[in-house]
Amino acid sequence: DAKTTQPPSMDCAEGRAANLPCNHSTISGNEYVYWYRQIHSQGPQYIIHGLKNNETNEMASLIITEDRKSSTLILPHATLRDTAVYYCIVRAQGGSEKLVFGKGTKLTVNP
Amino acid sequence: ETGVTQSPTHLIKTRGQQVTLRCSSQSGHNTVSWYQQALGQGPQFIFQYYREEENGRGNFPPRFSGLQFPNYSSELNVNALELDDSALYLCASSPGTSGNVYEQYFGPGTRLTVT
Repeated sequence: DAKTTQPPSMDCAEGRAANLPCNHSTISGNEYVYWYRQIHSQGPQYIIHGLKNNETNEMASLIITEDRKSSTLILPHATLRDTAVYYCIVRAQGGSEKLVFGKGTKLTVNP
Repeated sequence: ETGVTQSPTHLIKTRGQQVTLRCSSQSGHNTVSWYQQALGQGPQFIFQYYREEENGRGNFPPRFSGLQFPNYSSELNVNALELDDSALYLCASSPGTSGNVYEQYFGPGTRLTVT
């Protein structure tokens, strides 16, 4: 079973920041938070991951709370192409650990 | 550098038949994982292959089997197809691990319809 809880859907206006929350209250000390997204009819795409520090890359920022029980993925300037299902996943680094997907959050960016 | 590719794109089979799906991993990646994604659900892990050996399996029956070849490409075989096997089948490759965090790169998937 997925170790994360996400809202089923969210809306965002084009050009505004999209903030997608994720709860992972049972996260272990060695588990990272990963975010993937899946645009309709495509395979999931890796976005970002982090352990405890905030992370930023060219796609998004990841804010992890100090107690690591929740995180927020931020798309700073959402575009219509960011409409997708966003998955928050926790897993340990390395090994053969599978990715356990929940149902994710369907983000709709509106013009 | 080519990404993960899968074939065929779409496939229609009849209940009871057998199917083989194929995946070419990204260059330099020696680990391949297969996922099944039913409509409206997140992907579910089937199994993983690392250097031609099965390296973890999800809650799928033995009629789901796989292979990985020396070039790290992979096949997913499903025998005795059932209607519930209708799904998008995703392949993901990764560079394996040496204790470091890594990411799985997914292919576009094969849409299997069982009638």
